[in-house]
Amino acid sequence: AQSVAQPEDQVNVAEGNPLTVKCTYSVSGNPYLFWYVQYPNRGLQFLLKYITGDNLVKGSYGFEAEFNKSQTSFHLKKPSALVSDSALYFCAVRDISNSGNTPLVFGKGTRLSVIA
Amino acid sequence: SQTIHQWPATLVQPVGSPLSLECTVEGTSNPNLYWYRQAAGRGLQLLFYSVGIGQISSEVPQNLSASRPQDRQFILSSKKLLLSDSGFYLCAWKKGNMNTEAFFGQGTRLTVV
Repeated sequence: AQSVAQPEDQVNVAEGNPLTVKCTYSVSGNPYLFWYVQYPNRGLQFLLKYITGDNLVKGSYGFEAEFNKSQTSFHLKKPSALVSDSALYFCAVRDISNSGNTPLVFGKGTRLSVIA
Repeated sequence: SQTIHQWPATLVQPVGSPLSLECTVEGTSNPNLYWYRQAAGRGLQLLFYSVGIGQISSEVPQNLSASRPQDRQFILSSKKLLLSDSGFYLCAWKKGNMNTEAFFGQGTRLTVV
């Protein structure tokens, strides 16, 4: 079985400071990992993904994430937070050994609040 | 380019009334299609997914059903809504049988009164 944990319900950070949103995963094989962002009353927007290759993945809006196999983590980061980054962030995983038809498994989400 | 359309954006329905939410995808063929529900602005619950016309997998037993009458059309239905059916419903698609990201529609806010 595959699962995702986002241990923080809420993350608060001052504008201009670096931000980290945590994600750990559990799969039986190797993972495909994804980050999405959701603004109020909107659908989820894809930010970035790790499939294979470089452990540091760069995505939209200046976000990046680092795949750490030994710690089974895929934390989302940004060097300098903006107020407009305030939103709900979701981590998702699929086990590479599963069919490409297998749905993504999502974490429960982390609400990021960037304070001016 | 591919786009996903989901409507209506908001819906208020009385308890016991039927429901039909529609989702269509343009610019691709044979997509995998998904219905999720999000309660109280938090986690996503996968309700149904489909890998082809007429093929529906149900993840959660409930009074909702899904159908895929055409390749790029996915419909979420209920014969009689319950108060507990209120929530934010999201449709998503991804390329079939490929390990790629999924793309989401803008969602439907359903309030059952």
